[in-house]
Amino acid sequence: GAVVSQHPSRVICKSGTSVKIECRSLDFQATTMFWYRQFPKQSLMLMATSNEGSKATYEQGVEKDKFLINHASLTLSTLTVTSAHPEDSSFYICSARITTGLYNEQFFGPGTRLTVL
Amino acid sequence: QKEVEQNSGPLSVPEGAIASLNCTYSDRGSQSFFWYRQYSGKSPELIMFIYSNGDKEDGRFTAQLNKASQYVSLLIRDSQPSDSATYLCAVNGLTGGFKTIFGAGTRLFVKA
Repeated sequence: GAVVSQHPSRVICKSGTSVKIECRSLDFQATTMFWYRQFPKQSLMLMATSNEGSKATYEQGVEKDKFLINHASLTLSTLTVTSAHPEDSSFYICSARITTGLYNEQFFGPGTRLTVL
Repeated sequence: QKEVEQNSGPLSVPEGAIASLNCTYSDRGSQSFFWYRQYSGKSPELIMFIYSNGDKEDGRFTAQLNKASQYVSLLIRDSQPSDSATYLCAVNGLTGGFKTIFGAGTRLFVKA
């Protein structure tokens, strides 16, 4: 399958700081990437859909000013958690979509575990 | 009604048995169906996809799709302890601009 990388894999930061997470598609171009958040023992929650060259589409209840998404190229999307607080501590996972004809496949990055102290 | 429903489990099977994981979906326009495996603390890994009614086999895994019943399943033959994980069903279709909708996952335990 296609390879998606994320950096960093783990980050610990102080409350009030901003954290940037990078998501890259390594061997394909992804016009669409997705950002998910997953709390312990809970299911994936889609935060936003990121399309190259346009503004991200956020899911209901996700603050776009707090979770800044930039999809500047076909292989890179970034998520910046601004003024992070302890309740933002979670596992953040990006995913990139490949479209083949009518069908889509999504491949996930390895995730970034964010801990806000 | 949730868009993609799975039994949360846990489903416990003995080593060597067949594990059967089930998923139902609400959008009749769905076109693509996926099964992901997620180990604890890791991100999901795509293990199977199916687009057409019927069965699709890949090694020990078989995906089954019945669009009329809006039902998709995953069979794992000769289950191994290393198969113990959460299995996510995902459905993709016209609704929401081909957004992939994930079920909450079924936890599988394979007992040695």
